[in-house]
Amino acid sequence: GIQVEQSPPDLILQEGANSTLRCNFSDSVNNLQWFHQNPWGQLINLFYIPSGTKQNGRLSATTVATERYSLLYISSSQTTDSGVYFCAVELDRGSTLGRLYFGRGTQLTVWP
Amino acid sequence: DAGITQSPRHKVTETGTPVTLRCHQTENHRYMYWYRQDPGHGLRLIHYSYGVKDTDKGEVSDGYSVSRSKTEDFLLTLESATSSQTSVYFCAISALGEGEADTQYFGPGTRLTVL
Repeated sequence: GIQVEQSPPDLILQEGANSTLRCNFSDSVNNLQWFHQNPWGQLINLFYIPSGTKQNGRLSATTVATERYSLLYISSSQTTDSGVYFCAVELDRGSTLGRLYFGRGTQLTVWP
Repeated sequence: DAGITQSPRHKVTETGTPVTLRCHQTENHRYMYWYRQDPGHGLRLIHYSYGVKDTDKGEVSDGYSVSRSKTEDFLLTLESATSSQTSVYFCAISALGEGEADTQYFGPGTRLTVL
């Protein structure tokens, strides 16, 4: 398989603060996604970003595939950003079947 | 929201009993996946399907079987449940191969407890 490591494992912020979450992976990938799992357990796709940079409101993500890492930026945190953020990748083995390997996640808590 | 439902949402069963979880989609996507989520492990792929009657194993397939007789339904079966299969099970779908990015969308999850 592939190793997917996320850091930090836990992050506590005051509302309004900015944060950066990191995802390192051990092999070449053709798919990388960021997910948010809210406190009710629902998994929401944030970004499909195998390379490059994308932005969606207060969130943005950058993947540097050649250096095998991805970053998720959250600006002006809100309490609704709380939850677990997962990075998931698919090994680049020529064919794409959507077989994702997940990291263990970053638990984010935003206090008012 | 992607049209994915899972049933049941919660189930408590006893060791040794068979259990079937259902995933239903209204998006007509070809690819469907079953994952389990356990503390400290993130999500791990159990089985996936790339079409009707086409399935393959994931990382943690031992003790599980799947079936897909219709595009919209993907069933996960625990033939003889064990306590180690206590987990939260998520189904996901993907528009892979349909001219869209391979973004996976997840169902609400099924919490299974095996006593």
